[in-house]
Amino acid sequence: RKEVEQDPGPFNVPEGATVAFNCTYSNSASQSFFWYRQDCRKEPKLLMSVYSSGNEDGRFTAQLNRASQYISLLIRDSKLSDSATYLCAVPLSGGSYIPTFGRGTSLIVHP
Amino acid sequence: DAGVIQSPRHEVTEMGQEVTLRCKPISGHDYLFWYRQTMMRGLELLIYFNNNVPIDDSGMPEDRFSAKMPNASFSTLKIQPSEPRDSAVYFCASSVGWGASTEAFFGQGTRLTVV
Repeated sequence: RKEVEQDPGPFNVPEGATVAFNCTYSNSASQSFFWYRQDCRKEPKLLMSVYSSGNEDGRFTAQLNRASQYISLLIRDSKLSDSATYLCAVPLSGGSYIPTFGRGTSLIVHP
Repeated sequence: DAGVIQSPRHEVTEMGQEVTLRCKPISGHDYLFWYRQTMMRGLELLIYFNNNVPIDDSGMPEDRFSAKMPNASFSTLKIQPSEPRDSAVYFCASSVGWGASTEAFFGQGTRLTVV
């Protein structure tokens, strides 16, 4: 099993839709989790950290499910500008905080 | 702050040639990471440094790859000799410390094509 797995998509949704992505991880000892956003031909940028209690930032909500070893990202009221690839990042095996990235989920928001 | 600066932005080279990628981290950041991104394998960590010292190079694919960080403001990733399968986007990233909520700041990447 890969350490960090994501559905590559693409998820093709209309403006205003709600969309959710999951990311599964294999290291049950992982303590920190991140969602990064990567626009086409650009570098990844941190979108949000994922806290054990879940956290929300405007239209974006991140959740952690330790029992099933996955994190999720929910985007409400999708905008055209949300079109991007969303990468999850989870620490490497061994308890390090250094993240291993998933391959990303592609989101396309259309008018 | 200008952010993480990488050069060159694009590199096209012939198989067998030496390639050197350069990175200037954000001033004050003590961690530096080199990543490689391809469609097939996604974003892979190659090596990372803490206070200019290589900590983990287990992601370096083979001996053709080497990385150095001679001082806090400069790092290089060298491929010698280069092969077509090395074609990818290489990102450098830096951070202040590393903990549960640390953000890694990425450079704009070097798009390498080996023909």
